Amino acid sequence: TQLLEQSPQFLSIQEGENLTVYCNSSSVFSSLQWYRQEPGEGPVLLVTVVTGGEVKKLKRLTFQFGDARKDSSLHITAAQTGDTGLYLCAGGRDDYKLSFGAGTTVTVRA
Amino acid sequence: SQTIHQWPATLVQPVGSPLSLECTVEGTSNPNLYWYRQAAGRGLQLLFYSVGIGQISSEVPQNLSASRPQDRQFILSSKKLLLSDSGFYLCAWGGDRDSKPRYNEQFFGPGTRLTVL
Repeated sequence: TQLLEQSPQFLSIQEGENLTVYCNSSSVFSSLQWYRQEPGEGPVLLVTVVTGGEVKKLKRLTFQFGDARKDSSLHITAAQTGDTGLYLCAGGRDDYKLSFGAGTTVTVRA
Repeated sequence: SQTIHQWPATLVQPVGSPLSLECTVEGTSNPNLYWYRQAAGRGLQLLFYSVGIGQISSEVPQNLSASRPQDRQFILSSKKLLLSDSGFYLCAWGGDRDSKPRYNEQFFGPGTRLTVL
C-alpha cells in the first residue's frame, strides 16, 4: 500500500507549456522530498520542504507543502526537454525512513 | 563531498544462482544506509536499512539478505535467485548515527540493473 499517491501517473506536454504534479497522503510527514530520476540512474534530490504551507522555488520549478503537511505539489513553468524524467515524492518519518510515491513520468516534447 | 558507489552496474544471472551487490560511501562517517528495489518506471520499495555496523532491519520478507561489515559498506545478497528478484537495485545513504538525518534526506547511488533468467 502506497502511503503517498502521486498523480498523474504519466504526463506528456509540449516544450514551453506548464505542468503540475501532485503528491497526496492521509498521513502527516515531518518532511517531504522531491526527486527526479533519469532512465538507468539513481534519483537525484531536488528539494526538501518541512514547514506546512512552505513554498520553495528552484529556477522554473515551484514546490509547495500543504498546510497540514499531508500533500505537496511540483509545478514546472515553461517546461524544457531537459525536464523529462520520473518525478518521485517521498515523505519523511521520524524513524530515518522515507515512504515513496509511485512516481510521475514526465515527457516534454520538442 | 560525499559520493556513493554501487557495483556491478548490470548483472544477468540464472535462476538459483547466488547474488552479491556492493555499496560503499565516501566522505561521511556513520551514515544510515538503505537498499531499495524499483520496478520499471515506478516508485521505490525499501528492502533493508542499517543505522550501524552489524545492525540490519528488514522491511519486506523475501529471498534477500543484507550485511554491513564496515561502517561505509553495505552488501545485498541472496543464496538462490528467483525470477521475481529481477529489478533495479538502489543503495542510498542519509544522515548518521550521531545526529538526526537532516529532514530524512537520502542520497542515491547509480543503481544495479539485475536480470534473472
